[in-house]
Amino acid sequence: DTAVSQTPKYLVTQMGNDKSIKCEQNLGHDTMYWYKQDSKKFLKIMFSYNNKELIINETVPNRFSPKSPDKAHLNLHINSLELGDSAVYFCASSTDRAREQYFGPGTRLTVT
Amino acid sequence: GNSVTQMEGPVTLSEEAFLTINCTYTATGYPSLFWYVQYPGEGLQLLLKATKADDKGSNKGFEATYRKETTSFHLEKGSVQVSDSAVYFCALSDLGSSNTGKLIFGQGTTLQVKP
Repeated sequence: DTAVSQTPKYLVTQMGNDKSIKCEQNLGHDTMYWYKQDSKKFLKIMFSYNNKELIINETVPNRFSPKSPDKAHLNLHINSLELGDSAVYFCASSTDRAREQYFGPGTRLTVT
Repeated sequence: GNSVTQMEGPVTLSEEAFLTINCTYTATGYPSLFWYVQYPGEGLQLLLKATKADDKGSNKGFEATYRKETTSFHLEKGSVQVSDSAVYFCALSDLGSSNTGKLIFGQGTTLQVKP
């Protein structure tokens, strides 16, 4: 009965590779988000989709591309991985933009 | 732009001590305010929220009051336990300038409770 799930939980890869992280929510929410948490625990929004429409695209390198095939899924694809992409990536969802957000367990990405 | 500032950590307390973690914000409009908690190796869990001035959010013995006049949302607990050791994040929902609902987080405050 997991509310927001992410796969994989851990991802170790080499520089230059392309990887994807998947997120699914079974809460029936309309809005989904990707956040990045750096090594100092600082959290920053990356993207958001509302009903499959992109509504937030912060200053993120275009190597990062989100995709929302339906309301319940939001995936993150990263091309040409760099050392600085190492972080924990969190997916979140909410009923609408005014409400609290529910977070997934995170994906720890390590680029070597 | 909108921002959130939390007190620097780590905060180290003995069990049953009183906890305050300060949080102040800068925002246009009237954002909703949240406290999230992150236990080691886990994701963020919503601890409590307040959606308008003078609202008090509470959960699991934690409380925070939305103070518009001082733009603050300080987290308090009367008697902490070892199991409260975690990182606490204050956040606001950006519904003013951009109306996207994105959360803007403070830098997080690490709480360590010793038996």
